[in-house]
Amino acid sequence: QKEVEQNSGPLSVPEGAIASLNCTYSDRVSQSFFWYRQYSGKSPELIMSIYSNGDKEDGRFTAQLNKASQYVSLLIRDSQPSDSATYLCALKTSYDKVIFGPGTSLSVIP
Amino acid sequence: GAVVSQHPSRVICKSGTSVKIECRSLDFQATTMFWYRQFPKKSLMLMATSNEGSKATYEQGVEKDKFLINHASLTLSTLTVTSAHPEDSSFYICSARVLGDNEQFFGPGTRLTVL
Repeated sequence: QKEVEQNSGPLSVPEGAIASLNCTYSDRVSQSFFWYRQYSGKSPELIMSIYSNGDKEDGRFTAQLNKASQYVSLLIRDSQPSDSATYLCALKTSYDKVIFGPGTSLSVIP
Repeated sequence: GAVVSQHPSRVICKSGTSVKIECRSLDFQATTMFWYRQFPKKSLMLMATSNEGSKATYEQGVEKDKFLINHASLTLSTLTVTSAHPEDSSFYICSARVLGDNEQFFGPGTRLTVL
């Protein structure tokens, strides 16, 4: 079983809609979770980090964590064409390393 | 703050040669640096973890004699791809972290093409 799983997409949403990105993980010990955005040919940039169960909001972004279900999600409200990118879910393992999921490609249609 | 640089941004080399990539934390001291590799349309794969002043820890399947990592100071880590082959062509990205912090900061990446 892969340690971090995401739907590869592509996920297409119209401009102004809510984009919902999901991630599941296998390591029950993991406590730190991250969402990164990566534009083509660029390195990842951190959008959100979340460490506790529940929701965490930052502007148009909301991360949700459910450790019992081993599930992390990212909601993007009022999606903009500039949000079109690959979104990477990541977690810090019990060995203090950050590993990444395969990423979900998001396309926001004007 | 928290800027990480990489040099070079792009490099093209001939098969059999060695290439060195530098990763620098510009405004903080990085006790730990990570090296990732990313193939087209794939995710980042962790290659190794390096702690300042000690030997790097390589992930399973990564040849330590081929990918030499040196973390000689708190602001600099280098990755040397030795005897490069075309299959080593990839996007190499480093990241840096301060001891005790959760967040790691990524460099802009180095695109390696081996002819």
